[in-house]
Amino acid sequence: EDQVTQSPEALRLQEGESSSLNCSYTVSGLRGLFWYRQDPGKGPEFLFTLYSAGEEKEKERLKATLTKKESFLHITAPKPEDSATYLCAVQGNGRGSTLGRLYFGRGTQLTVWP
Amino acid sequence: ETGVTQSPTHLIKTRGQQVTLRCSSQSGHNTVSWYQQALGQGPQFIFQYYREEENGRGNFPPRFSGLQFPNYSSELNVNALELDDSALYLCASSWGRRQSIGNEQFFGPGTRLTVL
Repeated sequence: EDQVTQSPEALRLQEGESSSLNCSYTVSGLRGLFWYRQDPGKGPEFLFTLYSAGEEKEKERLKATLTKKESFLHITAPKPEDSATYLCAVQGNGRGSTLGRLYFGRGTQLTVWP
Repeated sequence: ETGVTQSPTHLIKTRGQQVTLRCSSQSGHNTVSWYQQALGQGPQFIFQYYREEENGRGNFPPRFSGLQFPNYSSELNVNALELDDSALYLCASSWGRRQSIGNEQFFGPGTRLTVL
């Protein structure tokens, strides 16, 4: 079965201190890897989709990269408003499972303090 | 463009009761997926509806059932509620064709269900 492991579980950064979140995955034929941001008690907010190894996407202070086994979410000079849980999910090619089904990791809870 | 909406926001039920949660998909989307998110966990796939038909199911018992309507809105029904059903229930909509559903899923705000 497709699996996703995220690390670390929690990360505390001082404002301006850059870092990376890791998402390791096992999937039978990657259709897409997705990053979401989730604030407490809210639904996940879509950030990026990556489809193939070597691909990179950027949005403001966030940059997502993808290899054949893992993805990284790089946060450059974070601000307190970047505090949230960041979720990684993969979508496989559907062999023995549902096309379009997302397998999520447990997330990394990021706290950025001033 | 209207985003994904869900109702109600919060719900409190007792064991053994039944509940119906509702979701309106984003304009232009034809696929709805439902997820259960327990505290501190990632969302877990319940099932997906594509053009009014169930298009796959996760590891959830038959007391979890659903519907999709012609306007692509959807309902999640849970019978015989158990304490472990307490969670945030998320609806996600996307656009796709049956053999190639692989587009981004956009989530609603969720319904917080508490079972006492």
